[in-house]
Amino acid sequence: AAGVIQSPRHLIKEKRETATLKCYPIPRHDTVYWYQQGPGQDPQFLISFYEKMQSDKGSIPDRFSAQQFSDYHSELNMSSLELGDSALYFCASSPTYRGQDNYGYTFGSGTRLTVV
Amino acid sequence: AQKVTQAQTEISVVEKEDVTLDCVYETRDTTYYLFWYKQPPSGELVFLIRRNSFDEQNEISGRYSWNFQKSTSSFNFTITASQVVDSAVYFCALSENTGGFKTIFGAGTRLFVKA
Repeated sequence: AAGVIQSPRHLIKEKRETATLKCYPIPRHDTVYWYQQGPGQDPQFLISFYEKMQSDKGSIPDRFSAQQFSDYHSELNMSSLELGDSALYFCASSPTYRGQDNYGYTFGSGTRLTVV
Repeated sequence: AQKVTQAQTEISVVEKEDVTLDCVYETRDTTYYLFWYKQPPSGELVFLIRRNSFDEQNEISGRYSWNFQKSTSSFNFTITASQVVDSAVYFCALSENTGGFKTIFGAGTRLFVKA
């Protein structure tokens, strides 16, 4: 079965550079979530999109922005990168209907961003 | 507000021992989902189980079992006859309707299984 695809898997950037992470949800999933997991931390919710509109916002820095496109894939843009942005970034997708037997919420394998 | 507490930061056991990872959650929703994820050193989040708030049946899957008790807001995870390959960080997580179904994770429990 198709899973959530994240690219790239690994990314190394220098301070003050810009990075773009991409997420391709499972087909027919219309909701995308982004999470950030710092070293030794639990994943923290950043932002979510439903039908190309922002649906919820967590602890996302102002230097970060995200959007969901017409094909439902999403991109997380990070500017003026700082050392502290080094983390695993997970994307998850789900369908609107989350029934008991068809919850469908699935995480991607993550993008490991290293800022040097 | 939703919250997940995993009081055990690290647990160390010897292979073949049984180990229970505790999880306590807080939510005001009546509709919510609870999860356990395994995160090996490679970093991916491996889905282990999902439970919805209306299903308190305990579940067993091979060496893994889960005990969901709404009365104590707990969703504990037991590994029977642990193996070295079980060494990982285990996250308990909560997803609720009013939270837009975003997932809130506990701090994680790092399990070391020694040969």
